Amino acid sequence: AQSVTQPDIHITVSEGASLELRCNYSYGATPYLFWYVQSPGQGLQLLLKYFSGDTLVQGIKGFEAEFKRSQSSFNLRKPSVHWSDAAEYFCAVAPINYGGSQGNLIFGKGTKLSVKP
Amino acid sequence: DSGVTQTPKHLITATGQRVTLRCSPRSGDLSVYWYQQSLDQGLQFLIQYYNGEERAKGNILERFSAQQFPDLHSELNLSSLELGDSALYFCASSVAPGQGDEQYFGPGTRLTVT
Repeated sequence: AQSVTQPDIHITVSEGASLELRCNYSYGATPYLFWYVQSPGQGLQLLLKYFSGDTLVQGIKGFEAEFKRSQSSFNLRKPSVHWSDAAEYFCAVAPINYGGSQGNLIFGKGTKLSVKP
Repeated sequence: DSGVTQTPKHLITATGQRVTLRCSPRSGDLSVYWYQQSLDQGLQFLIQYYNGEERAKGNILERFSAQQFPDLHSELNLSSLELGDSALYFCASSVAPGQGDEQYFGPGTRLTVT
């Protein structure tokens, strides 16, 4: 079955430090890949997405992610974390269905990011 | 603000009751998705509609049903509520129904079943 694994439940980094959040997926083919962020009491906001092409994708708020087919991974990175980045981050896949008529997302369990001053 | 609205924000009800959650998609979006977020199950896809028709079904219980109306708003009906149905219910919308289309999420409805 298709699945998304985010191995880190909670990560704490110091403000200004770099960040990498891990995501692995299990799927027969390369699915569509997404990273979403959820701030407390808010809905989810799309940070970036990968469909094909360049394996390093840039997103909003200074985030980037790298797709590695050999590792079935899509890790999220940021070179310098700001206090406002404290939130929960979700990796998601949209399984490819021929005909393209279904768009449901499969989410990982999320990684909660805390930022130390 | 994603442009997706959900009402009510909070809902407290008793076991065995029935509730209706409402979602208005972004202007121009034809597809609506419902997701449930709970502590034990995480974020789970429930159901998708596109232009009034059901397109995909996920882990939606038989006690739950949904529909999308001609004006494209959607309602999720939850009946015979159980304590385990307590969760945050999100609606999302996209322009088209496909897997590559960006989904915009509403702020959610927090349901508490007592």
